[in-house]
Amino acid sequence: EPEVTQTPSHQVTQMGQEVILRCVPISNHLYFYWYRQILGQKVEFLVSFYNNEISEKSEIFDDQFSVERPDGSNFTLKIRSTKLEDSAMYFCASSESGNTEAFFGQGTRLTVV
Amino acid sequence: DAKTTQPTSMDCAEGRAANLPCNHSTISGNEYVYWYRQIHSQGPQYIIHGLKNNETNEMASLIITEDRKSSTLILPHATLRDTAVYYCIVRAWGAQKLVFGQGTRLTINP
Repeated sequence: EPEVTQTPSHQVTQMGQEVILRCVPISNHLYFYWYRQILGQKVEFLVSFYNNEISEKSEIFDDQFSVERPDGSNFTLKIRSTKLEDSAMYFCASSESGNTEAFFGQGTRLTVV
Repeated sequence: DAKTTQPTSMDCAEGRAANLPCNHSTISGNEYVYWYRQIHSQGPQYIIHGLKNNETNEMASLIITEDRKSSTLILPHATLRDTAVYYCIVRAWGAQKLVFGQGTRLTINP
């Protein structure tokens, strides 16, 4: 069964450093998403991406964040200068269209020290 | 903000049907009811969705009341692996994002 894959599963970084989280969405999907979940809190929407541009973003997704589809298979989330409060699980998801169900990856646990 | 209300936690015996309620009294005509679950800290897993008719797939059944103000997710024969947080989400047609609430923590007991 096709699945969304994320790498790495765990990333530790120092405050102020840049990190790139990587995702390979399901191959025939056209919509891509990033969500995050701070430990013990709700899953929060960050951004959706379609046709090589951001289609929607939340207030959390400020100038420190960016997304990119560098090639035909990868979808990345970059955090330019990490803060302690960026520590969370980051989930990538994809869907065939904007109206169909989204499938999530297993997440990347980001720890900022 | 989430537009649904779910019990914080529920217990169910292994092998029995688990019935998870969800209230969405302010649902609009173009909004679907989606159910996802999250096992431990894994990524949310899609279960089922519906508009107004009852739906069934290999994982679960979704019963939506006639007035669409509430729904019930049914896991017909719960196993220990069904222990998870279950999220009921209302999502409008064309809305890409999912808005997660706190969900129901379902514990399946042996």
